[in-house]
Amino acid sequence: EMQLVESGGGLVQPGGSLRLSCEASGFTSSNFQMSWVRQAPGKGLEWVANINQDGTLRFYMDSVKGRFTISRDNAKNSLYLQMNSLRAEDTAVYYCARDRQCYMWGQGTMVTVSS
Amino acid sequence: DVVMTQSPLSLPVTLGQPASISCRSSQSLVYSDGNTYLNWFQQRPGQSPRRLINKVSNRDSGVPDRFSGSGSGTDFTLKISRVEAEDVGVYYCMQGTHWPLTFGGGTKVEIK
Repeated sequence: EMQLVESGGGLVQPGGSLRLSCEASGFTSSNFQMSWVRQAPGKGLEWVANINQDGTLRFYMDSVKGRFTISRDNAKNSLYLQMNSLRAEDTAVYYCARDRQCYMWGQGTMVTVSS
Repeated sequence: DVVMTQSPLSLPVTLGQPASISCRSSQSLVYSDGNTYLNWFQQRPGQSPRRLINKVSNRDSGVPDRFSGSGSGTDFTLKISRVEAEDVGVYYCMQGTHWPLTFGGGTKVEIK
């Protein structure tokens, strides 16, 4: 069964850092672009970042450029999101999704930025 | 950025009746390869999103055939031919043609 499992969320103070992970199983993630999408409490979906199959091309939404870094380790079938200089407005459930068209999603991991 | 505008915001529907959701993009979603990357997602209460439709009208695996997508260019529609109780949730359109990828604001489908 194909599955994506996120981890690494938690409570962090403004200005702090977190690293999210997403482990893929049931398929070879290196064959696909991968994305991060977030959802603030009670709000809609917002695309955050995307990485191509070999990690050489990365795209970000404007508000996270320079603060967030998407990466992957194909040997581990894993995707990451390093989040620095976190702000209250980054509070959200973060989902990883397979490919640019978000074919499948994980269960999400909650990130809360608060003092 | 491409703005995706969905309507209505809320859609009360009687069980067994049809439902229709509109999604309009601020620019054409036709990609250089000729495909139109417009997707529809369903998010049931407390669950992760699930993709229903890709490239305007292709149903994903396991999606009931009461769901259909149509449209072209900048104007798209998701239709549910006969709403069932399990269809309650929020529906989002998303364009995967232009960076940054963008979602519509969502349409909440509820039973009258």
